Amino acid sequence: AQSVAQPEDQVNVAEGNPLTVKCTYSVSGNPYLFWYVQYPNRGLQFLLKYITGDNLVKGSYGFEAEFNKSQTSFHLKKPSALVSDSALYFCAVRARGGNKLTFGTGTQLKVEL
Amino acid sequence: DGGITQSPKYLFRKEGQNVTLSCEQNLNHDAMYWYRQDPGQGLRLIYYSQIVNDFQKGDIAEGYSVSREKKESFPLTVTSAQKNPTAFYLCASTPGQGYEQYFGPGTRLTVT
Repeated sequence: AQSVAQPEDQVNVAEGNPLTVKCTYSVSGNPYLFWYVQYPNRGLQFLLKYITGDNLVKGSYGFEAEFNKSQTSFHLKKPSALVSDSALYFCAVRARGGNKLTFGTGTQLKVEL
Repeated sequence: DGGITQSPKYLFRKEGQNVTLSCEQNLNHDAMYWYRQDPGQGLRLIYYSQIVNDFQKGDIAEGYSVSREKKESFPLTVTSAQKNPTAFYLCASTPGQGYEQYFGPGTRLTVT
């Protein structure tokens, strides 16, 4: 069975500082990995994905993530956080050839002035 | 505009009543999904459909039913058999395996 772990329920960071939201996964074979963001009472918005190729993936709004196969991780990063980045972030994994996307429990990011 | 629509945004029902949540997409995507979101639990898959007239149970299908008579539509019925129906329900679609899922705005269902 595939699974995703987001070990931090909440991450606090000051505006202008770098941010990292952690994600580790478990899946059979090579994964498809995704990050989504959710604002209150809204649907999920896609940020970025890793399918194949370069381990460093760049996405929307200045976010990036690094795929690390040996550590089975896909941490989300941004060099300089904005207050408007405050939201709920979800990591998700899908096995190649599989039909289902499995989500982590989410990490609440709070960026303060 | 292309996208996924869910209606209504808020829905209130009395316990013991069945209720149907709407999900429509004009993206020409084959696959559609229903998720339930509860605080601290992330998204859990209820049902999914990869093609018209075919659907599969997800991880928490008990107390729910779906139909896929048209490519554009994937309605979810929350039956009276669902023990804890109050939740935020999200519909999604995708054009294929390596692609991201596109989400609708969600329906918040409250059953009292």
